[in-house]
Amino acid sequence: AQSVTQLDSQVPVFEEAPVELRCNYSSSVSVYLFWYVQYPNQGLQLLLKYLSGSTLVKGINGFEAEFNKSQTSFHLRKPSVHISDTAEYFCAVTVADSNYQLIWGAGTKLIIKP
Amino acid sequence: DGGITQSPKYLFRKEGQNVTLSCEQNLNHDAMYWYRQDPGQGLRLIYYSQIVNDFQKGDIAEGYSVSREKKESFPLTVTSAQKNPTAFYLCASSIYARSSYEQYFGPGTRLTVT
Repeated sequence: AQSVTQLDSQVPVFEEAPVELRCNYSSSVSVYLFWYVQYPNQGLQLLLKYLSGSTLVKGINGFEAEFNKSQTSFHLRKPSVHISDTAEYFCAVTVADSNYQLIWGAGTKLIIKP
Repeated sequence: DGGITQSPKYLFRKEGQNVTLSCEQNLNHDAMYWYRQDPGQGLRLIYYSQIVNDFQKGDIAEGYSVSREKKESFPLTVTSAQKNPTAFYLCASSIYARSSYEQYFGPGTRLTVT
């Protein structure tokens, strides 16, 4: 069975510093990978997704992620964070080109320190 | 504006009562989903529907029921059989149930059962 591991439950970082949120998945088949963001007491919004092609994926709000098949990882990065990036970030994976549902990570809370 | 509406935002019930959570979308999406979110656990799929008058159980369907009589609507009933119903409930939709399609989320309903 597939699983997704978000290695950090919380990541504190100073404003304007870079950040990396880590995501690893377990799968022996082709996968699609997603990062969603959830602001406090709201629903989720798609940040970016990897389906195929370039392993570096750019998303909204200056975020990007790199698909690494050999390490089964899909880490999310931002070169300079802002206070408005305070949110919880979820990584999700599913089997490529299928009707399979998303498997979600437990989430990482990004805490921006002024 | 197109989107997903969930009502109410907060819901309080006594133990032993059934309660129905509303989810409406005007995105003309075929697929709709219900997730439960608990702190530190990410999202868990309760039910999903790929098309009107059809729905499938997710990972934690016990104690819940759904209907999909209209394309726009996918209400979730939390029954008295659900042992631990207090949680944040999220409804989502996607154009189709295929894995490549982004899911769009509603703002959520926080249910408290005492």
